[in-house]
This record gives sequence, C-alpha cells and structure tokens, in this order.
Amino acid sequence: EVQLVESGGGLVQPGGSLRLSCAASGFTFSIYWMTWVRQAPGKGLESVAYITEGGSEIYYADSVKGRFSISRDDAKASLYLQMNNLRVEDTAVYYCSRGGGSGWGQGTLVTVSS
Amino acid sequence: DVVMTQSPLSLSATLGQPASISCRSSQGLVHSDGNTYLNWFHQRPGQSPRRLIYKVSERDSGVPDRFSGSGSGTDFTLTISRVEAEDVGVYYCMQGTRWPWTFGQGTKVQIK
Repeated sequence: EVQLVESGGGLVQPGGSLRLSCAASGFTFSIYWMTWVRQAPGKGLESVAYITEGGSEIYYADSVKGRFSISRDDAKASLYLQMNNLRVEDTAVYYCSRGGGSGWGQGTLVTVSS
Repeated sequence: DVVMTQSPLSLSATLGQPASISCRSSQGLVHSDGNTYLNWFHQRPGQSPRRLIYKVSERDSGVPDRFSGSGSGTDFTLTISRVEAEDVGVYYCMQGTRWPWTFGQGTKVQIK
C-alpha cells in the first residue's frame, strides 16, 4: 500500500523558513517523480514543485520560484520542501504526491502569520 | 499557464441517477509523447484528494466502475453513472501536460 507521510508544518512569521518532509513507503520511491501540492484554507489545489526520478529535472510554480527548493533522498525514500522567505499567502496544507497524483499524503499545515 | 474551467461549480445530485462534470482547458492537452494528461480527483471534507481517472479515461485501481472519463482536445467530462451517498465532496480536474500542472476550481457535489 502506498503511504506518504508529511511532517514539518507549523506556525511561522512572515519572512521565516520551514522544511517539510515526506516519508514514502509501500512502493519503489526512486522510480517515481514526486510533487508538492498545496491547498489554502477553503480553496482549491495548486501545484508548487515537481522533481523527476533521480532529481535530474526540477520545476517550480512562479509563486514560489526563488524561495522554495524541492529535493529528494532516494536512500531514505524521502521528499523535502525547503521554504524560505515565507509569505502570508503561503498559508496552506501542503501535500506530497506521487507522480501525477496516484498517491497523496495526509498533508501538513503551514501557517504564516505574525 | 493552462487554465482549467469546470462546470457546474455546484451540483445537487439524486441518488441512483447519473451526474456529470465538465472541464475545459485553455489549450489542447496532448503531450509531445502523444498522451493527454487529464486527471480527475475526488476530495471529501477533511481528507486528501484521491485520483479517480488518469489520461482522460483510465480508471485508477479500486475506483468503482460507475465513474468514467471522456473527452479530447480541450473538453473533458467526468460521469457518475449512478450517484451514491459516498460520492459527495469536491471533484477537481487537473492537467499534467504542461508545468505548472493546473487544477479546475472544483465542483462541489451534494445529494439532493
């Protein structure tokens, strides 16, 4: 069974940083491209960052480019999202997702507020 | 970015009756590899999204066969042949052809 477990969310002040983690199990993590998707409270879904298998290609949404960094550690079957210079509008539940959405974690809430 | 437009945004469905949701993209969704990466997701309140359909019409494992997807070019449809109580929630279409992958606004399905 595909399992994705996010962690690292919390309350942070504007301009602060957080690092999200996603632990994968139940499938061969290294052969899948992975995505971070976020959902602001009461809103729809927004793709944030995408990393191919092996990490050879990385893409970001314009809204986070230059502030967020996606990475993976295949030996640990883990996906990461380093978020710097956070803004109030980054407040959302952040989900890690396998491939084109074939598996999702339960999400971790990031709240950016003073 | 590719804009995905769903209609209706709210749907009051009758148990046992069919229901359908439309999704229109601002650009064609055929990838250079020949596939059309149009997916449908279902999200219940307080839960993560679950993918139902990928590549327009392929049903994910474990998804009931009352769910079907169709369409081509820029117009796509999710159809529920006989609505059941567990089908309530919000449905999203998503294009995975061009980054950034973009989602429709969501269609909230309730039972009449």
